[in-house]
This record gives sequence, structure tokens and C-alpha cells, in this order.
Amino acid sequence: DVKVTQSSRYLVKRTGEKVFLECVQDMDHENMFWYRQDPGLGLRLIYFSYDVKMKEKGDIPEGYSVSREKKERFSLILESASTNQTSMYLCASSLMSGSKLFFGSGTQLSVL
Amino acid sequence: GIQVEQSPPDLILQEGANSTLRCNFSDSVNNLQWFHQNPWGQLINLFYIPSGTKQNGRLSATTVATERYSLLYISSSQTTDSGVYFCAVEEQGGSEKLVFGKGTKLTVNP
Repeated sequence: DVKVTQSSRYLVKRTGEKVFLECVQDMDHENMFWYRQDPGLGLRLIYFSYDVKMKEKGDIPEGYSVSREKKERFSLILESASTNQTSMYLCASSLMSGSKLFFGSGTQLSVL
Repeated sequence: GIQVEQSPPDLILQEGANSTLRCNFSDSVNNLQWFHQNPWGQLINLFYIPSGTKQNGRLSATTVATERYSLLYISSSQTTDSGVYFCAVEEQGGSEKLVFGKGTKLTVNP
């Protein structure tokens, strides 16, 4: 089975801090994604990557950046965390474009 | 961009009942997937079903691409089926991103 691992289940940070969310997949998938999920707004795509060192903006990239230095790892970076970035963050991966998507267990981030 | 609408938004069942969840989409799709998010937040991929019918145990799904809808059937529901069910689609000729519906929240009571 595909395993997508997110480094933290719960995270509490202060406004203005730089925050790193890490995601690792173990199935040599080409594509990796970061979503955030908020009540009433559903899942929204922040950034995605089709290959190492490649990144594409999703629907809500403002305030975020990403890094993919190795195929198995995709990091989401909040340069200066703000309270409106309090959310559930979900990482996902797929073998290639158009194939089945697998999610990690999520990181609930609270920014105080 | 493509619109994805799921119905009903909420559904409450007694254990053992059957249910049908619906996903309508506004344009042709390359890719349609159904997910279940359990009460702890984990999203599990149930089906990859851009067209046709698939079955997995008590769950089955049918996508009628020409009429732009998909149905998820849950038979003999159990309390562990509770959670939110999401439909996600990739628009044909689009950006190869999945667009998610808002979900159907299912509660199965013992």
C-alpha cells in the first residue's frame, strides 16, 4: 500500500513564525500536492509538483511556498505564519497525472 | 473552471440501511475519484472511476460520463461508514488538477 507520511499531526505556532510542514511518500510517485481544508470551504489546492525541483501554483498559493529537492519529499513553507492560516493541511501523491490520489493523515495547524 | 456538486450535503441513517450519494459535474472529465474522510480526518481513496461501474465489498460506484454524474452506493451501512464522502474530478483539457466537491456528511447510528 502507498504510504504518505506527514511529519506532525498537530502543530501550534505563533504569528510571524516560519513554519515547515513535511510530507514523504514511499511509492516513487511523480506528483505531490498540498491542500488545506476548512469548514464550509472544502479542500483547496495550495501547490503541486510534477517532478523534483518543479512546482506549480494551485488555487490559493498566497502566503505559502514549497520545496521538492527529492522525489519522495514535498515541503510546505509558511514564510510568516498568520492566524488565517490556521487550518488542516493535507499532503497527497499520485503515480502520474490522472492516476489515483493518496492522502497523508493531515496536520492540524493552529497559529496563535 | 469545472463545477462539482454533491448531494445530499448531510445524511443520517440507521445501521443496516442503504444509501446513494450523488456527484454532478459541469463539464467532461478525464478522471473521477471518490474519497471517504473518517472522523479522524484521514482521507481514503475508495474508487477511481472516470466511467462505468466498480464494486468493492458493500460499496459500489457508477459514473455516467455522458450525463455528467457519478453515484456512490453504500449497502448495509455500518457505523464505521460515518464520515464525509468527497467526489473529485479532473476536467478534460484542463490543468490536470483534481477539483473537489464540498462533500456529503454521512452519520450512521447504531
